[in-house]
Amino acid sequence: GQNIDQPTEMTATEGAIVQINCTYQTSGFNGLFWYQQHAGEAPTFLSYNVLDGLEEKGRFSSFLSRSKGYSYLLLKELQMKDSASYLCAGPPPGTDKLIFGTGTRLQVFP
Amino acid sequence: GAGVSQSPSNKVTEKGKDVELRCDPISGHTALYWYRQSLGQGLEFLIYFQGNSAPDKSGLPSDRFSAERTGGSVSTLTIQRTQQEDSAVYLCASSTDSLNTQYFGPGTRLTVL
Repeated sequence: GQNIDQPTEMTATEGAIVQINCTYQTSGFNGLFWYQQHAGEAPTFLSYNVLDGLEEKGRFSSFLSRSKGYSYLLLKELQMKDSASYLCAGPPPGTDKLIFGTGTRLQVFP
Repeated sequence: GAGVSQSPSNKVTEKGKDVELRCDPISGHTALYWYRQSLGQGLEFLIYFQGNSAPDKSGLPSDRFSAERTGGSVSTLTIQRTQQEDSAVYLCASSTDSLNTQYFGPGTRLTVL
């Protein structure tokens, strides 16, 4: 099956930049999604990369390299409200479902 | 418009009982997904609907789990003879079509005593 690896936890300081990595098997996905999930809440969509390269959306950017099975989410000018879990997910080839990583719990400190 | 809604928000049941969880997707969304999230874990795919058909049931953990969708809208996830390991948050998501952005409901927290 598809394995998706993300760091379990990260910490950062308000105002800083943090990069959350996601790696997966290169036999892998048709694109990659990033979702944000605050504690006790449902995941909300952040970004979707279908082509290689960097997609920028405000303070958040997402990068994908399909040949390397690698993606990252870059968060700039961190705010306390960015403390949440960040989930990467991809659709295995020939399927219509998403396989999620276990998520990276980010804590932002003042 | 309204987002994805799920009911009940919380369900406590005794081991061995059957439970039904309901999902109302965003109007017009043809694709509907069920996931399960255990404490501190990622989302585990259960089943996917396109319209009323379920082309992918590969994530259902056992034959105690079933789901249906009627009228291309509301979906019900049924767990028969619940076990303690079924305790989790059950999340539903919908999208305009498969592999498009999924919008999640608030989930149903199931506790099996």
